[in-house]
Amino acid sequence: NAGVTQTPKFQVLKTGQSMTLQCAQDMNHNSMYWYRQDPGMGLRLIYYSASEGTTDKGEVPNGYNVSRLNKREFSLRLESAAPSQTSVYFCASSAVNEVAGYTFGSGTRLTVV
Amino acid sequence: LAKTTQPISMDSYEGQEVNITCSHNNIATNDYITWYQQFPSQGPRFIIQGYKTKVTNEVASLFIPADRKSSTLSLPRVSLSDTAVYYCLVGPYNQGGKLIFGQGTELSVKP
Repeated sequence: NAGVTQTPKFQVLKTGQSMTLQCAQDMNHNSMYWYRQDPGMGLRLIYYSASEGTTDKGEVPNGYNVSRLNKREFSLRLESAAPSQTSVYFCASSAVNEVAGYTFGSGTRLTVV
Repeated sequence: LAKTTQPISMDSYEGQEVNITCSHNNIATNDYITWYQQFPSQGPRFIIQGYKTKVTNEVASLFIPADRKSSTLSLPRVSLSDTAVYYCLVGPYNQGGKLIFGQGTELSVKP
C-alpha cells in the first residue's frame, strides 16, 4: 500500500548512543517532515525538507540532524541520545506544502535510558 | 500561522453528535482552516478543510461563521472508533512547510 514507512517501530537506546530513524514515502511527494510527540502534547516539528536537496529547522531542532537522501527518503539522526529525546517520532510527507495534504507514518517509539 | 484555541478534552456517548469548536481570532484573509484526526498509536490524518460557510464530507462537517474567527468541527452520531485527538490548524493553503500542531482536543466516546 502507498504511504509513509518508518523504521524501526520501537527502539531503546542508552544515553550517549547514536541512531538514525529512517523514513521513506512512495507517493512521489516533494516535501517531508519529522515531528516528535510527547505524552499529552501535540506534535512538534523538528525538521522539514520542502524539496530534495533542502532542509530547514522546525520548532525543536536541537540534538537532531537530518538528511534528505533522495526524493523518497528522509532520515533523522540522534548523534548523542539524551533521556529528553524519549518520544514518539512521526515522519510525514506532502506533494507540495499544502496544509491538507500531509500523510503520516505510523511512528517510531524511542526510549532513551 | 494563526494561533488556535480548542478544548483540551471532551467526552461523548455513542450515537451523539459531537461539536468541537476552535477559536482563531487573528485569522488572516488567505488562511484556511484544516482539521486532522489522530487515533491512538497512529500518525494524524487529514479529515476536512474549509475557508468559509460549510463544508461536508463523508467523515465530518465544518462550520465557519462569516467573521471566520472560529470554526466548529461536527461529527455526526459518533461511535467508539471516533475516539481520537482532533487538531485544528489555521494557515495559508500552500504554506504547510512549518505546519504546527497544537495540543488538540482529546475526544473520548463511551458506550
